[in-house]
Amino acid sequence: DSGVTQTPKHLITATGQRVTLRCSPRSGDLSVYWYQQSLDQGLQFLIQYYNGEERAKGNILERFSAQQFPDLHSELNLSSLELGDSALYFCASSRGLAGEQYFGPGTRLTVT
Amino acid sequence: EDQVTQSPEALRLQEGESSSLNCSYTVSGLRGLFWYRQDPGKGPEFLFTLYSAGEEKEKERLKATLTKKESFLHITAPKPEDSATYLCAVLGNYGQNFVFGPGTRLSVLP
Repeated sequence: DSGVTQTPKHLITATGQRVTLRCSPRSGDLSVYWYQQSLDQGLQFLIQYYNGEERAKGNILERFSAQQFPDLHSELNLSSLELGDSALYFCASSRGLAGEQYFGPGTRLTVT
Repeated sequence: EDQVTQSPEALRLQEGESSSLNCSYTVSGLRGLFWYRQDPGKGPEFLFTLYSAGEEKEKERLKATLTKKESFLHITAPKPEDSATYLCAVLGNYGQNFVFGPGTRLSVLP
């Protein structure tokens, strides 16, 4: 158990809908990262927050957004969902701005 | 642009048959190289961090080594429970995000 929690574990929704994924980092970690992992692709970095502020952006679509709250938990919002958004979404956390990241169990999103 | 490749793509071993996985990288100044293990449908589990060429880390049957262009994950006398996908990632001087390789899918047969 990494200490990173993610909810929900599974999510099934229809195209065009909007969903919110939630992540709580390990105690004491200030950075939160979001990744997408599709069947035919590796881990793709989406976005990083550090102590409430956006620090780095990867291959994140404009339909996706994220935020980190004062209690350091983070939410990833996915809107206008398409079939291709079906994937595993992982959250990771680290103590500082960089360094080893500890991953949560993931949220499996299925868009039908 | 930082890049990571891993070989082989898949590896099947008999229990007790030692082998090595390769991670080759191109990065503008290496701040760290990280190895993870991922079981199907689960989040990656952190294994090792290596910072400089010549460094080695060990954990049970796993040993990670680092050169200026690649890292190896040596698996000694593997057991079926070592079956998983092994991922490596690099963190370069000009990025704050990991670049992950595609992984090596290891199967250890009893």
